Amino acid sequence: DAGVIQSPRHEVTEMGQEVTLRCKPISGHDYLFWYRQTMMRGLELLIYFNNNVPIDDSGMPEDRFSAKMPNASFSTLKIQPSEPRDSAVYFCASSYKRGPYEQYFGPGTRLTVT
Amino acid sequence: AQSVAQPEDQVNVAEGNPLTVKCTYSVSGNPYLFWYVQYPNRGLQFLLKYITGDNLVKGSYGFEAEFNKSQTSFHLKKPSALVSDSALYFCAVRERAGYALNFGKGTSLLVTP
Repeated sequence: DAGVIQSPRHEVTEMGQEVTLRCKPISGHDYLFWYRQTMMRGLELLIYFNNNVPIDDSGMPEDRFSAKMPNASFSTLKIQPSEPRDSAVYFCASSYKRGPYEQYFGPGTRLTVT
Repeated sequence: AQSVAQPEDQVNVAEGNPLTVKCTYSVSGNPYLFWYVQYPNRGLQFLLKYITGDNLVKGSYGFEAEFNKSQTSFHLKKPSALVSDSALYFCAVRERAGYALNFGKGTSLLVTP
C-alpha cells in the first residue's frame, strides 16, 4: 500500500491567490482528516469526513477554507483567498472504521503564502 | 473536553541510556491513547496505542508506553536510546465515543552519541 498521498509537497503562492491541496487516503479507510501544523499552535484538526461526508468542520478557521471529498479516494482542501497567516504544513490522515484505529498520516504539504 | 499535556519541550538523552517522554491527559471516561513520531519534513508515524487491558503497551522500534489511570499519564519509554530516535514525539488522546485525535504540542527528543 502506498499510504496516504498528498500533493503538492510544497506550495508557494502570493496573498490573495487560491490554493488547493489534495489527498488520496489509504484504500478501504472510512475516515479522512485534515490537520494544520504550525510552530505556534501545534497540530490542529481542521475537518474530518466519514464515508465522504463532512462530520465536523468546527476546526476550519474561516470561510476562506473549504474541504470536499467527492469520492472515497480523493479529498481537497481549498483556501481562497490565501493569506500569509495560512502558511503552515497541512496534513491529511485516514483511518479504518470507527473504533480504536490509529490514523495514518500523509507526508504533508508545506504552504507558504507571501 | 479532552486535552493532552506534554510538559517537556525537549528531552536530551545519551545513546544507550533509557528514555522517557512524558504525557498526561484529561478526558471523560476511558480514553484511547496514542504515540506518534515525526521526523524532519515527514508526516506523523504511528508508534503505539493503548485501548484497554495491560497497562504496558509495546510498539514499533522498541518503544513502549505505560498507562497509569490514577495519574492520567501515558509516558513513552525505551530501554536504550539510539541516535536515530531523535525526532519529535506526539501524544494524542481520543474519547471512545469520538472520532478525532487531540494532540499534545510535541516533545523534541535529542539522543546524543
